Amino acid sequence: NAGVIQTPRHKVTGKGQEATLWCEPISGHSAVFWYRQTIVQGLEFLTYFRNQAPIDDSGMPKERFSAQMPNQSHSTLKIQSTQPQDSAVYLCASSSGQQANYEQYFGPGTRLTVL
Amino acid sequence: GDSVTQTEGLVTVTEGLPVMLNCTYQTAYSDVAFFWYVQYLNEAPKLLLRSSTDNKRTEHQGFHATLHKSSSSFHLQKSSVQLSDSALYYCALSDRGNMGYKLTFGTGTSLLVDP
Repeated sequence: NAGVIQTPRHKVTGKGQEATLWCEPISGHSAVFWYRQTIVQGLEFLTYFRNQAPIDDSGMPKERFSAQMPNQSHSTLKIQSTQPQDSAVYLCASSSGQQANYEQYFGPGTRLTVL
Repeated sequence: GDSVTQTEGLVTVTEGLPVMLNCTYQTAYSDVAFFWYVQYLNEAPKLLLRSSTDNKRTEHQGFHATLHKSSSSFHLQKSSVQLSDSALYYCALSDRGNMGYKLTFGTGTSLLVDP
């Protein structure tokens, strides 16, 4: 079991460019989550898929952020027209269960730097 | 919405001494689980321990926590810290709300263990 895989591990973009982040959840896990981590805000929820269907995107900045899960083996987080304040570590997590106490397994994250 | 409060940003403890990291929460839901995640430098957050049972002590890797719904708390404790315990600790909750089981995190507490 390779765990949750995220690519790239580091990405540097110029202001106004697009960034696409990839996540491969643990095989067999039905839930995929995206979080953003910054020093100031800590870990913040962005969006959540269950069985590939979008369930909750309440944490997503509405205008430039979008997420998809086209198949059970990967999810993408796309940020259009990146801004310096988007610089953060973006973490993907997956979970096997549908109860509140199920563990979420985190990937190593993608560190996005917007110049 | 849910909220988790970790009042200490940084806790410094001498090796061999006890430590307690504070965590309090607010939630309107009854089907809720509570977690402590630990994140070592340049690694992904990993589950340390979890609980959804009131007044029951949960232990793992020398750490323990007891959920107290009467005081809305889930403090993390260890009787004798080790240098290897230096890390960032997040308290989190997951509720069975309308939209599923996202994690709501506190802002995190950095634990630094001095020799």
